[in-house]
Amino acid sequence: QQQVKQSPQSLIVQKGGISIINCAYENTAFDYFPWYQQFPGKGPALLIAIRPDVSEKKEGRFTISFNKSAKQFSLHIMDSQPGDSATYFCAASYPFGNQFYFGTGTSLTVIP
Amino acid sequence: NAGVTQTPKFRVLKTGQSMTLLCAQDMNHEYMYWYRQDPGMGLRLIHYSVGEGTTAKGEVPDGYNVSRLKKQNFLLGLESAAPSQTSVYFCASSYSSDNEQFFGPGTRLTVL
Repeated sequence: QQQVKQSPQSLIVQKGGISIINCAYENTAFDYFPWYQQFPGKGPALLIAIRPDVSEKKEGRFTISFNKSAKQFSLHIMDSQPGDSATYFCAASYPFGNQFYFGTGTSLTVIP
Repeated sequence: NAGVTQTPKFRVLKTGQSMTLLCAQDMNHEYMYWYRQDPGMGLRLIHYSVGEGTTAKGEVPDGYNVSRLKKQNFLLGLESAAPSQTSVYFCASSYSSDNEQFFGPGTRLTVL
């Protein structure tokens, strides 16, 4: 059973537009929600992460919005650039749970 | 500080051959993980370790074995490779289960 559900599978956005990727989870014990960015031929790298004590976290053009009651969190990329073209994974984990649960990934293409 | 390194980067095997993938980290992390990445399926956890001398099964452990004899190394073994094991393999490490995972650059394995 997929613990974290991610959508959409792929996304095409014009340069300067807003990219939005959504994730939903069921386990209310999750307390760490990271987003990873992966470029072709590379390993995933942490982009931004949030814990459930805040509803939003912003780092530059990247923002996580977190809705605890709906058990959803999303990644917003403002002013999307061609260099943002990559695969994005959401994930969730909980203390003493021993592992992350990853979404299936979103392939983002930003058109110049 | 090299982070997480993986050896080899590429490998081609024939069905039935065996091989070992090596992962090394220099961050003194307790937790280490092996994932496989296949198109449209995201990152799937094969095995993980929560400390030296310990290993545990993940989501897709069949056909793989692991060992963690030293804290800094996590080995993934394929005893009798099958074409279904053609994939990109990533190793990761983390300080704890709900903190950032650091990924290696990946190993691209093809089984003919």
